[in-house]
Amino acid sequence: GQNIDQPTEMTATEGAIVQINCTYQTSGFNGLFWYQQHAGEAPTFLSYNVLDGLEEKGRFSSFLSRSKGYSYLLLKELQMKDSASYLCTVRGSGGYNKLIFGAGIRLAVHP
Amino acid sequence: NAGVMQNPRHLVRRRGQEARLRCSPMKGHSHVYWYRQLPEEGLKFMVYLQKENIIDESGMPKERFSAEFPKEGPSILRIQQVVRGDSAAYFCASSPKLDPWRGYTFGSGTRLTVV
Repeated sequence: GQNIDQPTEMTATEGAIVQINCTYQTSGFNGLFWYQQHAGEAPTFLSYNVLDGLEEKGRFSSFLSRSKGYSYLLLKELQMKDSASYLCTVRGSGGYNKLIFGAGIRLAVHP
Repeated sequence: NAGVMQNPRHLVRRRGQEARLRCSPMKGHSHVYWYRQLPEEGLKFMVYLQKENIIDESGMPKERFSAEFPKEGPSILRIQQVVRGDSAAYFCASSPKLDPWRGYTFGSGTRLTVV
């Protein structure tokens, strides 16, 4: 089966660091994406991991452990505009870009 | 350099009517994907199309739903005889052949409300 688990909600303070976790069980694996989605808007690409380890891109970093079926997204120096849903997404097997989305975690950043 | 264009942005239909959702992929993108997002839920894959071909429709209900991506013009997701449970946000995404590093580019979605 295909399953992606994320917490439902998180809150954090402006300027802080927050780690958003994701575990997955999928029938195949060809990479893991994190997307950001503001309410009523389209998901936008944040990061991509296909090998184990940490990928850093500005204030955002993403980590992957394929053996554990685990990833996290790390957001530093939180800003109010980071309040959004964060979607953990796995590309399964099949040779093309079919993505399996988690339900997403709603992050609320407070002053 | 327009992104993925979806229209209409909002669509209201009465039960039993037809809904037509349009998606124009990014320039140079030949692969189109449709996803549905119910309130408080994740995006669920519906169908993957290339020009004039349906590659994978495993996520699309067998009845009332159909999709096409003609040689000319946008991709169309068609829902016949809509029911209240069809109310959702429908997102279209596009990609070039296979872009392993970026996944998709999403459109802004069409929010369908069935009354």
